[in-house]
Amino acid sequence: DIQMTQSPSSVSASVGDRVTITCRASQGISSWLAWYQQKPGKAPKLLIYAASSLQSGVPSRFSGSGSGTDFTLTISSLQPEDFATYYCQQANSFPRLTFGGGTKVEIK
Amino acid sequence: EVQLVESGGGLVQPGGSLRLSCAASGFTFSSYDMHWVRQATGKGLEWVSAIGTAGDPYYPGSVKGRFTISRENAKNSLYLQMNSLRAGDTAVYYCAASRLGYLDYWGQGTLVTVSS
Repeated sequence: DIQMTQSPSSVSASVGDRVTITCRASQGISSWLAWYQQKPGKAPKLLIYAASSLQSGVPSRFSGSGSGTDFTLTISSLQPEDFATYYCQQANSFPRLTFGGGTKVEIK
Repeated sequence: EVQLVESGGGLVQPGGSLRLSCAASGFTFSSYDMHWVRQATGKGLEWVSAIGTAGDPYYPGSVKGRFTISRENAKNSLYLQMNSLRAGDTAVYYCAASRLGYLDYWGQGTLVTVSS
């Protein structure tokens, strides 16, 4: 099974900061990676798919990069509504999916 | 408007059974793979099962042999039959629709509590 490791597990940042979250796969997954945002009490929301493609309606301050085993999600200028938990997910072995452990973005 | 609405959650004793349902609308249900994903309180997301457009099921080892996923395209509905439930199965269960493994649409979730 493919394991997904996210870091950091939490990050404290201020509005306007640039935030970067990393995700590492236990084996190569090409670009079969998604990023989700989840706010408390809500379902996750797809932000990025195929490692770097922005889902329709998602602000352009979100971007994804990487391929193979190492991936990043970047928020270029953190907004108040971006404080949430972010998950990566591999789709290389779809329909069998694996999620990373999550990264909580908190207010500094 | 796309909607996925889960139902069927509740309190069940260890060893018991529960059947979750997910009603879909606003998209071509039969063209999407469907998944169940769960989340224990304060924990991360865990993939529970998937069913392809042709009805082929997939499970991780943690639920294989205990959970059964099914779909009824004529009713735009997804199901999860859960047997031999354990305390570790306690979680919010989400249904989600995907193409190529990316979970485009999610329901609001239904809470399953396994406790005596």
